[in-house]
Amino acid sequence: DTGVSQDPRHKITKRGQNVTFRCDPISEHNRLYWYRQTLGQGPEFLTYFQNEAQLEKSRLLSDRFSAERPKGSFSTLEIQRTEQGDSAMYLCASSHGTGGEQYFGPGTRLTVT
Amino acid sequence: GQQVMQIPQYQHVQEGEDFTTYCNSSTTLSNIQWYKQRPGGHPVFLIQLVKSGEVKKQKRLTFQFGEAKKNSSLHITATQTTDVGTYFCAGINAGGTSYGKLTFGQGTILTVHP
Repeated sequence: DTGVSQDPRHKITKRGQNVTFRCDPISEHNRLYWYRQTLGQGPEFLTYFQNEAQLEKSRLLSDRFSAERPKGSFSTLEIQRTEQGDSAMYLCASSHGTGGEQYFGPGTRLTVT
Repeated sequence: GQQVMQIPQYQHVQEGEDFTTYCNSSTTLSNIQWYKQRPGGHPVFLIQLVKSGEVKKQKRLTFQFGEAKKNSSLHITATQTTDVGTYFCAGINAGGTSYGKLTFGQGTILTVHP
């Protein structure tokens, strides 16, 4: 399977704990995006990378969220001191170049109890 | 900031009926994309529209991009049960530096009764 993969698929954590998610994009894609989706809503942009450079971060993203793409390949999204409001599906997508179609991974469903 | 609105939020149709969802952006778009998300699945790309007034067809699906590049529509002719899912439009803002950043609408949930 050469699609976008995400790990883990599900994560249940207690409020206040830190969590980290991983995304492996399609290998030749230089752009990688993180989105958050809650029930009944469309994906909400969080941040994106071109190669290893983080080009934009949503103003809605608190300082508890950080993302990296150290070698321009896989990416990690960390949430520190999780809150119940962080419960959502976290989607990763990748694309080749700018403005084109994005390929989404299956997502990581986070539940904060 | 940019907002993308979709109507209707829900649409229930009998199999064989037509379906249309409408998308409106608060800002001019450089392009608009449409995605389909099946229940329990992730968004899957359907099409991208770039030119003002552009119309594209994929079998029973017809996509339009408005002349002002601020609105779009998706029309499905003779729906089938396989069309069930949520249809999202997503726009990229014209100008600026957010090239590639998609702003999604809230989606239209389509159910098809056999």
